[in-house]
Amino acid sequence: SQQGEEDPQALSIQEGENATMNCSYKTSINNLQWYRQNSGRGLVHLILIRSNEREKHSGRLRVTLDTSKKSSSLLITASRAADTASYFCATGPPPGGAQKLVFGQGTRLTINP
Amino acid sequence: DVKVTQSSRYLVKRTGEKVFLECVQDMDHENMFWYRQDPGLGLRLIYFSYDVKMKEKGDIPEGYSVSREKKERFSLILESASTNQTSMYLCASKRIGYNEQFFGPGTRLTVL
Repeated sequence: SQQGEEDPQALSIQEGENATMNCSYKTSINNLQWYRQNSGRGLVHLILIRSNEREKHSGRLRVTLDTSKKSSSLLITASRAADTASYFCATGPPPGGAQKLVFGQGTRLTINP
Repeated sequence: DVKVTQSSRYLVKRTGEKVFLECVQDMDHENMFWYRQDPGLGLRLIYFSYDVKMKEKGDIPEGYSVSREKKERFSLILESASTNQTSMYLCASKRIGYNEQFFGPGTRLTVL
């Protein structure tokens, strides 16, 4: 079953602009992670935010988590052509649950030069 | 750096063939996973393994089996390939107690 749903499904912006992607989920989580996938390749881990955190930064990435709304957002600032990829959120279950991630359907981000 | 390798980038098989997809990781990770990725459906978990000789069904195990005889290797087996198993297959591994998964480059399987 799909836990995360991402919005929008596709996003196209100009280089230098900020890109925001959203993820909603349904059940209790221990953490939420964001991954990037370049075309036809495997996924690469970007950032993890724990359920007791509200915001986290890593370089040009900013992630927020609102557990009351069961939603998260990923902001990429000052986008570059190399940021063109698909971005997936993945939720990790609470302790005691089966230790597997559940992925969303992804947002395809295109950065236009 | 963690490295996860998969035996083939592209594979073409015929309906009814037995297909083996191999995944090897070099960082002594206990947990390993097989996903399939289809347009509009994201990643779906087929099987995972907590450790050697241990396996658990994921969300879509039908038509697949797995083998984990050695810690570094996790094999996905399609006993009798069907056209609806045409997909991108992704292997991942992680250390027990940690959250980040490390992915291989994927195998794009086409079943004719």
